[in-house]
Amino acid sequence: AQTVTQSQPEMSVQEAETVTLSCTYDTSESNYYLFWYKQPPSRQMILVIRQEAYKQQNATENRFSVNFQKAAKSFSLKISDSQLGDTAMYFCAFVRYSGGYNKLIFGAGTRLAVHP
Amino acid sequence: GAVVSQHPSRVICKSGTSVKIECRSLDFQATTMFWYRQFPKQSLMLMATSNEGSKATYEQGVEKDKFLINHASLTLSTLTVTSAHPEDSSFYICSAPSLLLAKNIQYFGAGTRLSVL
Repeated sequence: AQTVTQSQPEMSVQEAETVTLSCTYDTSESNYYLFWYKQPPSRQMILVIRQEAYKQQNATENRFSVNFQKAAKSFSLKISDSQLGDTAMYFCAFVRYSGGYNKLIFGAGTRLAVHP
Repeated sequence: GAVVSQHPSRVICKSGTSVKIECRSLDFQATTMFWYRQFPKQSLMLMATSNEGSKATYEQGVEKDKFLINHASLTLSTLTVTSAHPEDSSFYICSAPSLLLAKNIQYFGAGTRLSVL
């Protein structure tokens, strides 16, 4: 069975600073995807970034980037130039790739507060 | 990007009544949809996988007679909370994956806050 662990229940950062959220996972699968989702106070789940396990290059999306360490089963999210609008719950998630539709396995989440 | 519409966003009902929540994929077909429940300050807990044309698959511990799921078409899944009680009060979220738009990305509805009095 797959598991996703986020060891930081809460984090805070000053506006314009950089913050890194941690995520580790456990799986015996070789092909899978990893995601970071953001859930702001509105509670709408928003995809932040996606990483395919077979790609060695770390994914980046504007101010968001990941450090994907497949051997260590680590998938951290770095937010650069933090903005007040980044305040949200962040969930790390895993899905195995089998050619069909598979359920997401979520971590417990990290609550990020960006302070002015 | 893909849009998943969930309705209603908020519902308040009396204990013993049934409540139906709809989840629609607006610009893509979804033969599979997922239903989650989220308690305050917690992660999303998968309740069931909704399959078009076949029975839903429920996660362990989820009462299928309490949470009825119907996947009526390629764009619509409904979750009915039957004989709702205060302990069913929660935030319910649906999602739909689209392999055509982007591999294995799930698109989420805005959620439904259910309050049972």
